[in-house]
Amino acid sequence: GAVVSQHPSWVICKSGTSVKIECRSLDFQATTMFWYRQFPKQSLMLMATSNEGSKATYEQGVEKDKFLINHASLTLSTLTVTSAHPEDSSFYICSASRSAGGVSPDTQYFGPGTRLTVL
Amino acid sequence: EDQVTQSPEALRLQEGESSSLNCSYTVSGLRGLFWYRQDPGKGPEFLFTLYSAGEEKEKERLKATLTKKESFLHITAPKPEDSATYLCAVQEDFGNEKLTFGTGTRLTIIP
Repeated sequence: GAVVSQHPSWVICKSGTSVKIECRSLDFQATTMFWYRQFPKQSLMLMATSNEGSKATYEQGVEKDKFLINHASLTLSTLTVTSAHPEDSSFYICSASRSAGGVSPDTQYFGPGTRLTVL
Repeated sequence: EDQVTQSPEALRLQEGESSSLNCSYTVSGLRGLFWYRQDPGKGPEFLFTLYSAGEEKEKERLKATLTKKESFLHITAPKPEDSATYLCAVQEDFGNEKLTFGTGTRLTIIP
């Protein structure tokens, strides 16, 4: 168990359009989901933490009006990149947090990622 | 501020040649240290969680260990399919589930 899916796996769009990326936990419920972006040959940078039923918490430097996050259920979070520009082109990865039980820390399971290219 | 440093940045090994990857960390209080494997163009795949010094975990050819300042990922008799980037991440102990990632070690196993 602990499978996380993302859709779409890749998307190409024109500058100025909006793109929505879905993240689903398929076999567990996730109170908390996370959104990361990753540039080539770099590590993952956390963009925001998403809690079901409440507003997302954004990391410093991430524009909340540009990257809209909705976590409407315990298995689905969405990231919408509004008015996308070429500099938004990146690999976006979500994760869902699953309880390990007891004193063990919760584990984040990652989706396969979405490659966004803005022309 | 949490800091996670991984070394080496890249490592090339012959098939069957054992080695270790290092993850040094600085946190106020460690809740957990995580190892992930990432293949090109894919999301990270969970390998291990460690949360107390002295703890060890094994999975096939991989063994992860933890001290108060660093973690090692030992790879024994690696195969070409072990080629990937190995990421280390720490979670601080104050209720926030946020992970801070290192920059990774890019491992290549040559047949």
